[in-house]
Amino acid sequence: GESVGLHLPTLSVQEGDNSIINCAYSNSASDYFIWYKQESGKGPQFIIDIRSNMDKRQGQRVTVLLNKTVKHLSLQIAATQPGDSAVYFCAERGGSYIPTFGRGTSLIVHP
Amino acid sequence: DTAVSQTPKYLVTQMGNDKSIKCEQNLGHDTMYWYKQDSKKFLKIMFSYNNKELIINETVPNRFSPKSPDKAHLNLHINSLELGDSAVYFCASSQNENTEAFFGQGTRLTVV
Repeated sequence: GESVGLHLPTLSVQEGDNSIINCAYSNSASDYFIWYKQESGKGPQFIIDIRSNMDKRQGQRVTVLLNKTVKHLSLQIAATQPGDSAVYFCAERGGSYIPTFGRGTSLIVHP
Repeated sequence: DTAVSQTPKYLVTQMGNDKSIKCEQNLGHDTMYWYKQDSKKFLKIMFSYNNKELIINETVPNRFSPKSPDKAHLNLHINSLELGDSAVYFCASSQNENTEAFFGQGTRLTVV
């Protein structure tokens, strides 16, 4: 979930389980949100995005939920696979032209 | 075809040296970025270029300077390197400010 302190939050799940990764944002003006996946040794890769006029958006095995009231974003991964192991970042864009990244959550999928 | 490519992938250099990291995108995007990722995986924006003009410049040391010879390239020059500059630097591009960014593979800079 949301990063607290100096450690990267970690979520450990069993293969086949559903995973939920949470993200809180602070900018009420943010109107565009993106989830990225970063595998070891690689750059962040786009997973799914959502705009502020939506509450939910679904992709292949992934769903993003947006709760603007509490400024909360979540990424749900269905039937998590070992290949989903990575660091997941939420990013928000609003006001400025650039996406601001959250701290990241490390997802570990155990076979 | 690599969408966003940056070179070199690894860079080890001594304190005080000047170095450059190159970035090219073949996506026809209008906006390019440089990010710094620290050892705790935090991604911090450094620069953003839109149509060759700097539109955002975070409070990074002026030893860092972006250079954009054309819309497809955004190079990062670093003068007088310091130990604290050691990090992974990512280049990225997006069609505009309202679309997702595509990232390069990163350049791991180690200053010794």
